[in-house]
Amino acid sequence: DAGVIQSPRHEVTEMGQEVTLRCKPISGHNSLFWYRQTMMRGLELLIYFNNNVPIDDSGMPEDRFSAKMPNASFSTLKIQPSEPRDSAVYFCASSFSGSGNTIYFGEGSWLTVV
Amino acid sequence: SQKIEQNSEALNIQEGKTATLTCNYTNYSPAYLQWYRQDPGRGPVFLLLIRENEKEKRKERLKVTFDTTLKQSLFHITASQPADSATYLCALDNNDMRFGAGTRLTVKP
Repeated sequence: DAGVIQSPRHEVTEMGQEVTLRCKPISGHNSLFWYRQTMMRGLELLIYFNNNVPIDDSGMPEDRFSAKMPNASFSTLKIQPSEPRDSAVYFCASSFSGSGNTIYFGEGSWLTVV
Repeated sequence: SQKIEQNSEALNIQEGKTATLTCNYTNYSPAYLQWYRQDPGRGPVFLLLIRENEKEKRKERLKVTFDTTLKQSLFHITASQPADSATYLCALDNNDMRFGAGTRLTVKP
């Protein structure tokens, strides 16, 4: 398997623009996680899905952030409008659902908002 | 509020010594605790998982302990090597997966 695939790997955008990050989980996995990593706050869980349904979005910073999972093989994280403080690495990860399962991370999307 | 704390941001040790990293948590009752390794510019990679009813788990030069009374896990790397230099993250597993901030380990030759 190719692993969790994220795109874009790097994005530089201007404040106020819409940003869409994409994720393809590992085939067969039914849990998907979006994380944000910064030096200040570490690796924060933003939202996770089980069987394409959002289970916990309490980590989503504010209404500018939204995530969707229209099917088992694709998810998006959207920021609209983007702000400089959104600059971070955004990771997508997938696993089989339930406790005790390893989660597998993508290589991350490095976002810079100027 | 729930917190996951890893003992220090950075740990420097000499090659061959044992590295010990600490993960403390509050207001959680995780069924599992996991440890991950992250190299610069990469996503975290799974290392070890320990269940709440297990006291200790080993894998090659790695050892993890889990004390649910103290709400603490210790992660040991014995006979450390420069290639072990990385950031190590603990994660609490209660269906979701929440991570500590990580400890950056540097092993000097």
